[in-house]
Amino acid sequence: GDSVTQMEGPVTLSEEAFLTINCTYTATGYPSLFWYVQYPGEGLQLLLKATKADDKGSNKGFEATYRKETTSFHLEKGSVQVSDSAVYFCALRQDGQNFVFGPGTRLSVLP
Amino acid sequence: SQTIHQWPATLVQPVGSPLSLECTVEGTSNPNLYWYRQAAGRGLQLLFYSVGIGQISSEVPQNLSASRPQDRQFILSSKKLLLSDSGFYLCAWRDKEKAGNTIYFGEGSWLTVV
Repeated sequence: GDSVTQMEGPVTLSEEAFLTINCTYTATGYPSLFWYVQYPGEGLQLLLKATKADDKGSNKGFEATYRKETTSFHLEKGSVQVSDSAVYFCALRQDGQNFVFGPGTRLSVLP
Repeated sequence: SQTIHQWPATLVQPVGSPLSLECTVEGTSNPNLYWYRQAAGRGLQLLFYSVGIGQISSEVPQNLSASRPQDRQFILSSKKLLLSDSGFYLCAWRDKEKAGNTIYFGEGSWLTVV
């Protein structure tokens, strides 16, 4: 079946550092790809998404590009802030099927 | 705009007691509804989903059950809780009419079984 793999972390960075969280997927067909963020004690919120190859999703300074050739959707941010500390989930969904989530990556940003 | 609410936000229950978590969605009709569990420090586990009133699909066998008595209401229940039922429970919805669309989560309910 379809699956999502992401670095589990925790990832610890200093404020203003560059962030990359890797995400790769296995799927038959052409899924939509998503990044969700979960702040402490809260539910998940959509951060960004891409629905076809070469699309770039972006939001709040975060970006991810749908790379079909490498089956990847890595999350990047040029300069992280303490407020970005959270758990980040990569996910995919094929039409007619349920979401498949990765295990989540915990990010801690230190001042 | 659409909103999703679930309650209670936090509860502590003894082993063997019943459970009822409720979730409602506003501003949409005929959504797909979901219950996920997130154990401490772990990823998301899909427990149940529903594509319509009275239609429930279970992803994992366990002592939990789900019901959808109304179009925008989804309830997670147990007759007798186990210690292993502790975790963070998330309700979610999705508009089934839109391709490539997003799943939206509620605020979550923390359950501690003691």
